[in-house]
Amino acid sequence: DSGVTQTPKHLITATGQRVTLRCSPRSGDLSVYWYQQSLDQGLQFLIQYYNGEERAKGNILERFSAQQFPDLHSELNLSSLELGDSALYFCASSVWRGGGEQYFGPGTRLTVT
Amino acid sequence: AQTVTQSQPEMSVQEAETVTLSCTYDTSESDYYLFWYKQPPSRQMILVIRQEAYKQQNATENRFSVNFQKAAKSFSLKISDSQLGDAAMYFCAYRSAPSYGKLTFGQGTILTVHP
Repeated sequence: DSGVTQTPKHLITATGQRVTLRCSPRSGDLSVYWYQQSLDQGLQFLIQYYNGEERAKGNILERFSAQQFPDLHSELNLSSLELGDSALYFCASSVWRGGGEQYFGPGTRLTVT
Repeated sequence: AQTVTQSQPEMSVQEAETVTLSCTYDTSESDYYLFWYKQPPSRQMILVIRQEAYKQQNATENRFSVNFQKAAKSFSLKISDSQLGDAAMYFCAYRSAPSYGKLTFGQGTILTVHP
């Protein structure tokens, strides 16, 4: 158990819908990262937050957004869902702004039908 | 932009034997970190080992060790005394030292362990 929690574990929804994925980092970790794992794109970095502020953006679609709250949990919002958004979404956390080991949560498997 | 390449989509090994997984990367930076992550069928991403680019000594964690060749931009993972529980997808990952910490992953290598 990495100490990072993600909810829900599985999510099935229809095209055009909006979902929210939630992540709670390890105790004491200020940085949260979101990654997407899909068959065709592999593991890709989406976005990073540090202590409530956005720090880095990767290949995140405009339909996707995220935020980190004062209690340091983070949410990834996916809207206008398409079939191609079906993937495993991971949250990871680390202590430092720029690094430290990243510990991954169990992931949320999103299926868009 | 940095890229990470794992040229072996699949590898297999007999239990108790040794296997080496390959990884190459491309970067113009001199300061960075390299990692190997394991993803078993449960899909959990587990950190196996890390290597700082400024350290010449290869990292070792129990049965896992790396061969880090900075000039060749090569970072292979050796698993000794392979166990059935080592069967998983293995990802090589790169992180810039001065950046904000994002990981760039390779495509992964599926490791099968035969009893």
